[in-house]
Amino acid sequence: ETGVTQSPTHLIKTRGQQVTLRCSSQSGHNTVSWYQQALGQGPQFIFQYYREEENGRGNFPPRFSGLQFPNYSSELNVNALELDDSALYLCASSLAPPEEQFFGPGTRLTVL
Amino acid sequence: KNEVEQSPQNLTAQEGEFITINCSYSVGISALHWLQQHPGGGIVSLFMLSSGKKKHGRLIATINIQEKHSSLHITASHPRDSAVYICAARKILPTSGSRLTFGEGTQLTVNP
Repeated sequence: ETGVTQSPTHLIKTRGQQVTLRCSSQSGHNTVSWYQQALGQGPQFIFQYYREEENGRGNFPPRFSGLQFPNYSSELNVNALELDDSALYLCASSLAPPEEQFFGPGTRLTVL
Repeated sequence: KNEVEQSPQNLTAQEGEFITINCSYSVGISALHWLQQHPGGGIVSLFMLSSGKKKHGRLIATINIQEKHSSLHITASHPRDSAVYICAARKILPTSGSRLTFGEGTQLTVNP
């Protein structure tokens, strides 16, 4: 059984660019949640996908969008990058929305 | 005021000491998670609690639903326990999804 994986590990972008981060959920999990963790802070909930539909969203602007695919892997897209988007982006998968979440290793995004 | 608050923010202990990290939350929750985060970002789920107490090796987690308070205890602490410990409150959303609201974390350093 493979755990949650994320790619890329690190990424450097400039302001105004767009970025796509990827997450493969743990085998058998149909729910993926995305979190943003700024340096020195706790993670903040971005959104959750369940069976390819957005199932809940935190206080993030529309330029943060996502997708979940039939194999339950997921993408996080961020348009018009801002300096404050620099953070560790974590995804977590679970068997169903209310079940325990298992985290991936994260993608470190730096916006210059 | 954050919905989830942890104390202390930083904790330094000598190897072998008994450690307690506290977490208070101000919202109704369906479960409380304790997570461990090492340098580099990877998050490991330690416990998910909705009532009572759970034990795993040298780690013990308790929750008091009435008081909206949870504690994580580490017995016979060891330098390899050094990490950031985060509590997170799980809420069920109107969409039937769920979200985790995180505390800011407690940086634990255990010296030999």
